[in-house]
Amino acid sequence: NAGVTQTPKFRILKIGQSMTLQCTQDMNHNYMYWYRQDPGMGLKLIYYSVGAGITDKGEVPNGYNVSRSTTEDFPLRLELAAPSQTSVYFCASSLQTNRANEKLFFGSGTQLSVL
Amino acid sequence: GQQLNQSPQSMFIQEGEDVSMNCTSSSIFNTWLWYKQDPGEGPVLLIALYKAGELTSNGRLTAQFGITRKDSFLNISASIPSDVGIYFCAGQVGSGNTGKLIFGQGTTLQVKP
Repeated sequence: NAGVTQTPKFRILKIGQSMTLQCTQDMNHNYMYWYRQDPGMGLKLIYYSVGAGITDKGEVPNGYNVSRSTTEDFPLRLELAAPSQTSVYFCASSLQTNRANEKLFFGSGTQLSVL
Repeated sequence: GQQLNQSPQSMFIQEGEDVSMNCTSSSIFNTWLWYKQDPGEGPVLLIALYKAGELTSNGRLTAQFGITRKDSFLNISASIPSDVGIYFCAGQVGSGNTGKLIFGQGTTLQVKP
């Protein structure tokens, strides 16, 4: 009963370093998302994917890259970490039908600090 | 772009009290959703609303989709300590599988036993 699994839970990066946040889901969901959560700001969509091989930008994509080579995995890449990328990152997935995309299942988050 | 204004930002209440929070926007939404986030966890869906005027309950929680389609309300009756967390509203613009939600800033709820 894993659901959406994110790793790592915590990470500290130096400015300019790169890293990949991993996300995998075992629910055979076609849609996957990456959000960032800043204090008092709610959740902002970074990138999303509607299926393997397809990705699209959200509200705040600058400084990030994603790929979706399989249905299960949706890694988020930071190439040159900046202090502005200090945040809590959430991966989510949903099974899309013709109805609204409301039933997002979230991972437990990755807390990233860039110093 | 679309924005959701959620209020209040935070609440500190006594166990057993009722709670009300709301979400407003200048834009029309076709779906309103309410999520709860426990400390150190990701948000979990509480209630989904699909039609203007719709009133839906989930246990002690009741949410309404505003008639104007620009607002939504969440009420929690007889609060208990495990209600502590951050409550987010989210709205979807458009229909079908566009894949994007707009989230409010969140209401942090603390319950004093």
